[in-house]
Amino acid sequence: DAGITQSPRHKVTETGTPVTLRCHQTENHRYMYWYRQDPGHGLRLIHYSYGVKDTDKGEVSDGYSVSRSKTEDFLLTLESATSSQTSVYFCASGWQGPDEQYFGPGTRLTVT
Amino acid sequence: AQSVTQLDSQVPVFEEAPVELRCNYSSSVSVYLFWYVQYPNQGLQLLLKYLSGSTLVKGINGFEAEFNKSQTSFHLRKPSVHISDTAEYFCAVSLQGAQKLVFGQGTRLTINP
Repeated sequence: DAGITQSPRHKVTETGTPVTLRCHQTENHRYMYWYRQDPGHGLRLIHYSYGVKDTDKGEVSDGYSVSRSKTEDFLLTLESATSSQTSVYFCASGWQGPDEQYFGPGTRLTVT
Repeated sequence: AQSVTQLDSQVPVFEEAPVELRCNYSSSVSVYLFWYVQYPNQGLQLLLKYLSGSTLVKGINGFEAEFNKSQTSFHLRKPSVHISDTAEYFCAVSLQGAQKLVFGQGTRLTINP
């Protein structure tokens, strides 16, 4: 299995507070992705990265920002968390864009 | 833009029965197609993928899928399911040359003894 970890695994935060989720991979994958999973919606892409400092928006990027200063780390930041951002967040990485992506275990975020 | 529709949100079947999980996509250009599985409280893992070549693709755990270009479908099948196949299954599509996957809404497969 690809070595992809996410931290924290669970977080409860209050509306309006900033939150940063971390994804770390040890496979030297070029591409990294952040998704959110909500019932009835499957997985929706928030942001992705195609190299260090190279990022782009996905379909649900409003309210989220990302940074990638090292190949192995991809951070997702909620600048001011809202209840609509309560979700399970998955990180993924891979060698070649749309080919196989390897997923982390997920972070369950609750915004109260 | 491409989209993916999984026609059943839940599929209950008995152990050792066959199962088919349906997936249709919309795209006017060539695509890559994937099936991922998510076991309870885990991340997703790849079951199988179609990039090119034979339209019948075999994956892990006895699953297979058939790419049908004329019907824009990529249905997943298994001839005999086991309790351990209980999971959520996601179909995904990507345009050739693109960097992103678009996922369907998921199908929850429940195996009854």
